[in-house]
Amino acid sequence: DAKTTQPPSMDCAEGRAANLPCNHSTISGNEYVYWYRQIHSQGPQYIIHGLKNNETNEMASLIITEDRKSSTLILPHATLRDTAVYYCIVRLTFKTSYDKVIFGPGTSLSVIP
Amino acid sequence: NAGVTQTPKFQVLKTGQSMTLQCAQDMNHNSMYWYRQDPGMGLRLIYYSASEGTTDKGEVPNGYNVSRLNKREFSLRLESAAPSQTSVYFCASSADFSSYNEQFFGPGTRLTVL
Repeated sequence: DAKTTQPPSMDCAEGRAANLPCNHSTISGNEYVYWYRQIHSQGPQYIIHGLKNNETNEMASLIITEDRKSSTLILPHATLRDTAVYYCIVRLTFKTSYDKVIFGPGTSLSVIP
Repeated sequence: NAGVTQTPKFQVLKTGQSMTLQCAQDMNHNSMYWYRQDPGMGLRLIYYSASEGTTDKGEVPNGYNVSRLNKREFSLRLESAAPSQTSVYFCASSADFSSYNEQFFGPGTRLTVL
């Protein structure tokens, strides 16, 4: 699986958009970009995933560059409850046998009142 | 719809004691997973069950056993606890194995082995 690079920490003012970047320059053509987050003391939570088109759901938007070497997760109106560690993962979406899900250090997002 | 539930939330064991961590999901998912999370190590897969009736080892299975009791329930057993098993344990499920990236996680069990 391609390696990802994320900034270790970010701050965002409450009510503003939080833009979390992720670099994945070695991504292959059939690998998807997945985002999870982990709020303190809770289990990881799936947010969104995409291949090459921008994606949006009720939680966030995912913008993937045309060359697919980087992406940005956007939380449109950050709240205090969005304070969490955000993980960007690149991997195949389908496999017949398990390949461990690797959560790197991620980005620790602090939403400030 | 509670999602994925785990019991207990906290547990303290002495070295050599045994215990079973319980996990249940009410989303009619076929696949279930057990992870441990340690500082600086990320999430590591212990065992998984791709479908009812099957279980397979993950990255760190030593010292653990699992049982897929039925479609809803997947338990993790520590036969003889060791201090190295002090960790936070997460259970997760996915609709099926082909969607394993879209896993739903439980709240975790914090285990301390003295």
